Amino acid sequence: NAGVTQTPKFQVLKTGQSMTLQCAQDMNHNSMYWYRQDPGMGLRLIYYSASEGTTDKGEVPNGYNVSRLNKREFSLRLESAAPSQTSVYFCASSSFWGGNEQFFGPGTRLTVL
Amino acid sequence: GEDVEQSLFLSVREGDSSVINCTYTDSSSTYLYWYKQEPGAGLQLLTYIFSNMDMKQDQRLTVLLNKKDKHLSLRIADTQTGDSAIYFCAVTPRDDKIIFGKGTRLHILP
Repeated sequence: NAGVTQTPKFQVLKTGQSMTLQCAQDMNHNSMYWYRQDPGMGLRLIYYSASEGTTDKGEVPNGYNVSRLNKREFSLRLESAAPSQTSVYFCASSSFWGGNEQFFGPGTRLTVL
Repeated sequence: GEDVEQSLFLSVREGDSSVINCTYTDSSSTYLYWYKQEPGAGLQLLTYIFSNMDMKQDQRLTVLLNKKDKHLSLRIADTQTGDSAIYFCAVTPRDDKIIFGKGTRLHILP
């Protein structure tokens, strides 16, 4: 089992460009999450999908959109990237929302110039 | 709102015990977690404790929970260089929310 995979590992964008971060899990988990990690800020939840077919905003959703394509895949889209979105992005999944271990992907390091 | 506080840095000599502390504001969490993040990697669950427990021990790891003071700690006995990482405390104050602390960077001194 690969666990949680993310692509790409690194990305550099110019302000205003768009891109989609991909995430997939092979553990048959119901819940999936997108976080961003910034120095001194810890981990902040952007969006989550408690189950297939549902998505909800987290703590910092502005400037992002998500799609739960199927049970395995949860993508994060930046429509018009801004320098404030320079961060490391982590996707995670868990069996169910809130009460169980979250499994994290290796992260995508995004720089917006 | 809910908050989780941790000190940002901790330096410990190799072979000593490390104690990483966490305080939280909401007392309704069923699970309280410690995650470990090694350089360049995602977070990995290290251990967790149920809210009805005071202590949990797992090999070199001891988790202590003081619900009255809303204080969670992680003790790593015989700290090794491989323990060098960022440790995150996380709580689940309600079913639709998980709150992570900012993480404590553990530095091991030779």
